[in-house]
This record gives sequence, C-alpha cells and structure tokens, in this order.
Amino acid sequence: GDSVTQMEGPVTLSEEAFLTINCTYTATGYPSLFWYVQYPGEGLQLLLKATKADDKGSNKGFEATYRKETTSFHLEKGSVQVSDSAVYFCALSQGAQKLVFGQGTRLTINP
Amino acid sequence: EPEVTQTPSHQVTQMGQEVILRCVPISNHLYFYWYRQILGQKVEFLVSFYNNEISEKSEIFDDQFSVERPDGSNFTLKIRSTKLEDSAMYFCASRGIPRGAGANVLTFGAGSRLTVL
Repeated sequence: GDSVTQMEGPVTLSEEAFLTINCTYTATGYPSLFWYVQYPGEGLQLLLKATKADDKGSNKGFEATYRKETTSFHLEKGSVQVSDSAVYFCALSQGAQKLVFGQGTRLTINP
Repeated sequence: EPEVTQTPSHQVTQMGQEVILRCVPISNHLYFYWYRQILGQKVEFLVSFYNNEISEKSEIFDDQFSVERPDGSNFTLKIRSTKLEDSAMYFCASRGIPRGAGANVLTFGAGSRLTVL
C-alpha cells in the first residue's frame, strides 16, 4: 500500500538556521502531498500542499516541491524561528481517499 | 474560519468501560474521519465515513470500535470495552466536496486525549 517515510528526528536547530526535513513516498498513481504541523498541545494543522508533479506548496516561509522523479516532498525554510518548534508530518492522499502519514519529525528551535 | 470541534478534550476511564468521543465536523463537509496517535508515535488512520456508512476502515478498527452520525451535525467514535492500549489522542477530521479549492484537504480537530487505566 501507499506509504510515507520522513527523516528521523528529533531535529534541533538554532534560530535563523536553514531547515530541511526529508520526505519520500511510495504510491500508485498520482497522489496529492501535504505537510501538516502539530504545535505543542494542539491538533494537526495543514501547513502546505501540492497536488501534481513540480507544484510548489508554500506557507509561512515554508516550501516543498512535488518531485515525481525522486518521489519526494522535502520541507524547507530559509530561516527558522523559535515559534516553528513543532512536530511536522508529511502525508499523501489519493483522490478522495484517506491521508497516509509519515512518522513525524519533532523540530526544536533554540534561541 | 470554520473548524472541527471535538469533545471531550481529555477523558480518563477504567479498562473495560465504554467511551464515546464526539466530533462536530465543518457544516458543509461530506467526508468524515477518525485517526489516532499513540503518544510519540505516528498518526494512524482508523475509519472514514461517507453518505452515512463506513467507506474504509483499518485493521485497528475492530469490533470494539463503531462510528455513528446520529444527527446532521455530530460524528461519534465509540469504543465498547476499552483496553490499556487504546490510550491515545483521537483526532476527528472532515473534508468537503470532491472538487474545487481545498478538495483533498482534511481539516482536523484539536483531538480528544483518552487515558485508560
């Protein structure tokens, strides 16, 4: 079945550092790809999405590009802030079907 | 902005007791989901619901689990006889029409934390 693999965490960075969280997927067909974020004590919030190859999703300074050739959707941000500390989940869905999540990557940003 | 509302935010129960977790999805959404997240682990799909019936369920969703949409607004998850391993955060989500902006986007509630003692 479809699956998502994220880089192992936790990830700890200093404020203003460059962030990359790797995500690769296995799927039949052409899934939509998502990044969700879970801030401490809160639920899951959609951060960004891309629905077809070469699409770039972006929000709050975060970006991810749908790479069909490498089956990847890596999350990047040029300069992280303490407020970006959270758990980040990569996910995919096929059309109207359920979301399949990766295992999550805990990010901690130190001032 | 429309949101998915879940109650209770936290429930503590004894093993073997029945638990009902409640969700109010976004009002014009048609697809409803339950996910769970055991502490520190990945978010796992439990069940999806459309047109008043289960459209898909995972291996986790065994006979101890059931879902219901008793009226036009609520969507409930019932665990008949809770086990220790049911302790988790349970997330409800909903999604709108298949086409148009945001078609594939699930909106999640803040979660209900279940602790089974």
